[in-house]
Amino acid sequence: DGGITQSPKYLFRKEGQNVTLSCEQNLNHDAMYWYRQDPGQGLRLIYYSQIVNDFQKGDIAEGYSVSREKKESFPLTVTSAQKNPTAFYLCASSIAPSGGLGYTGELFFGEGSRLTVL
Amino acid sequence: GENVEQHPSTLSVQEGDSAVIKCTYSDSASNYFPWYKQELGKGPQLIIDIRSNVGEKKDQRIAVTLNKTAKHFSLHITETQPEDSAVYFCAASPRGGGSNYKLTFGKGTLLTVNP
Repeated sequence: DGGITQSPKYLFRKEGQNVTLSCEQNLNHDAMYWYRQDPGQGLRLIYYSQIVNDFQKGDIAEGYSVSREKKESFPLTVTSAQKNPTAFYLCASSIAPSGGLGYTGELFFGEGSRLTVL
Repeated sequence: GENVEQHPSTLSVQEGDSAVIKCTYSDSASNYFPWYKQELGKGPQLIIDIRSNVGEKKDQRIAVTLNKTAKHFSLHITETQPEDSAVYFCAASPRGGGSNYKLTFGKGTLLTVNP
């Protein structure tokens, strides 16, 4: 089945450690996104990528890094510079917006990764 | 930037009753308004969306209404069932002009349908 796979589902990290969350999609989507979800908060955009080898900062990029070396993969690294990393992280993908109309396509989400800093 | 306010934050209804969730947005350039449903431990899933050229859209027991003048839109669920229990997020997106789009999400509404 086509979809988005995030791993690991649960992750524990000690303070000062970097950790990488995996996101893989087989939907042949060009665009991929990372969101952070905190209790009582909406989804906040960390990074997004419209095409391979290109990515842009979202609203809360500080302390995070990404790469997009392959169309199907968009890993997120939570660095030690992220001051409050404990959260639920969601990866999503969509078809790329078409030009002119700024078409907005449906976001397809993975099941998330819950990171806890000990 | 865009600001999306969503109310209520929690909503409890009896099975069979209707549920209404309301959102307001600030950017008059926004023209796309999706609603996502997130079940416990899962990622959100699109359930319905509306664009600014229509005022209402229905899909079985779910409907969304849009008032561009007042800058608010609402999700209506009729004949609620226990499986409707989830967190619902509204979102708004401006016209991208050929570049990437950016969805701004509300903070979510936890809907509980009691049997």
